[in-house]
Amino acid sequence: AQSVTQLDSQVPVFEEAPVELRCNYSSSVSVYLFWYVQYPNQGLQLLLKYLSGSTLVESINGFEAEFNKSQTSFHLRKPSVHISDTAEYFCAVSDEGGYNKLIFGAGTRLAVHP
Amino acid sequence: SQTIHQWPATLVQPVGSPLSLECTVEGTSNPNLYWYRQAAGRGLQLLFYSVGIGQISSEVPQNLSASRPQDRQFILSSKKLLLSDSGFYLCAWSPDSYEQYFGPGTRLTVT
Repeated sequence: AQSVTQLDSQVPVFEEAPVELRCNYSSSVSVYLFWYVQYPNQGLQLLLKYLSGSTLVESINGFEAEFNKSQTSFHLRKPSVHISDTAEYFCAVSDEGGYNKLIFGAGTRLAVHP
Repeated sequence: SQTIHQWPATLVQPVGSPLSLECTVEGTSNPNLYWYRQAAGRGLQLLFYSVGIGQISSEVPQNLSASRPQDRQFILSSKKLLLSDSGFYLCAWSPDSYEQYFGPGTRLTVT
């Protein structure tokens, strides 16, 4: 069965430091990959997506993720974080079963400290 | 542009009471619709999805049910709430692709 593993449940980091949130998935077919961000008591917002083409995808607020097919990974990175990046981040992969379903990881809580 | 609404935003209900949560989408037609539950400190669990009016698929056996009476309306219900039904309920919609867009959520506390 497909799965998504977010290796770190919590990542503490100081402001302006770089950060990497790790995501690995298992799938036997071509996949679409997503990162979502959730601020406290809010819904999830789509941060970035990989559908096809360039394996490096970027968001408008400085995050980027790289699709690595051989390592079945889709790690999220930012070279310099801000306090406002403090949130829960979820990695998701397209479900082989169709109906546009997604399989989500358990989430990584990013805590940015001053 | 498309928007998704959920209400109520918060709800406190006693054990054994009924439940009705509503989700509506604007600015699109025939979306795929999804209900998720997020327990405290945990990831998202897909509860139901719908690809059209009256078409509901359940992902896990539980005390909840879903209905889609109109194209852009998705309702989550229960006849008798359990303590374990507490959580943050999220509705999402998707066009004919894997991208899903989430509503603001409903915080349900069963007491």
